[in-house]
Amino acid sequence: GENVEQHPSTLSVQEGDSAVIKCTYSDSASNYFPWYKQELGKRPQLIIDIRSNVGEKKDQRIAVTLNKTAKHFSLHITETQPEDSAVYFCAASIGVGDMRFGAGTRLTVKP
Amino acid sequence: GAVVSQHPSWVICKSGTSVKIECRSLDFQATTMFWYRQFPKQSLMLMATSNEGSKATYEQGVEKDKFLINHASLTLSTLTVTSAHPEDSSFYICSARDTAGTAGETQYFGPGTRLLVL
Repeated sequence: GENVEQHPSTLSVQEGDSAVIKCTYSDSASNYFPWYKQELGKRPQLIIDIRSNVGEKKDQRIAVTLNKTAKHFSLHITETQPEDSAVYFCAASIGVGDMRFGAGTRLTVKP
Repeated sequence: GAVVSQHPSWVICKSGTSVKIECRSLDFQATTMFWYRQFPKQSLMLMATSNEGSKATYEQGVEKDKFLINHASLTLSTLTVTSAHPEDSSFYICSARDTAGTAGETQYFGPGTRLLVL
């Protein structure tokens, strides 16, 4: 089955700096890659997603890149703000099949 | 759109009792819902896939007789933790896909249920 690995497990940046979180997946058939943000005690919220027919997608300060050949995808957050502090999860699925999550990255943005 | 609710948000129960958690899709129909378990500072672990009108599909290592899932309608799935024990204490989160929408792969999560078994 699909295996998703995520790095780093913790990330601390200064406000205004960029943050990058990387994930790799094992099943080349995976074609949907969402990123979720989870604040303490709350539900995971979808922040951006990408499908395998595109290599990059951007939404304001957030961008995701996908390298199908290498089977990895990354989340980029620019101009980080304290409210970006949370746990971020990457995931992968084959269409509407089961979704597998990475282990999560705890991002801390220091003011 | 794509709102998922979950009830209760918090439950404390005695060891040996059963607890039922409800997951509802409020503004869309979900033929498939998913149940996850999340321990503190850990990732989301898929427990089972709930299919409307048929039996749930359980992940390896998840006891189907302990975690009963019923998906009786297109907007409601329930998870019953039977004979709960302290090791069942966890954060249980459901999710659903709006397969009729334009982004059918996207999972939308409920707010979660924190279960504490004494």
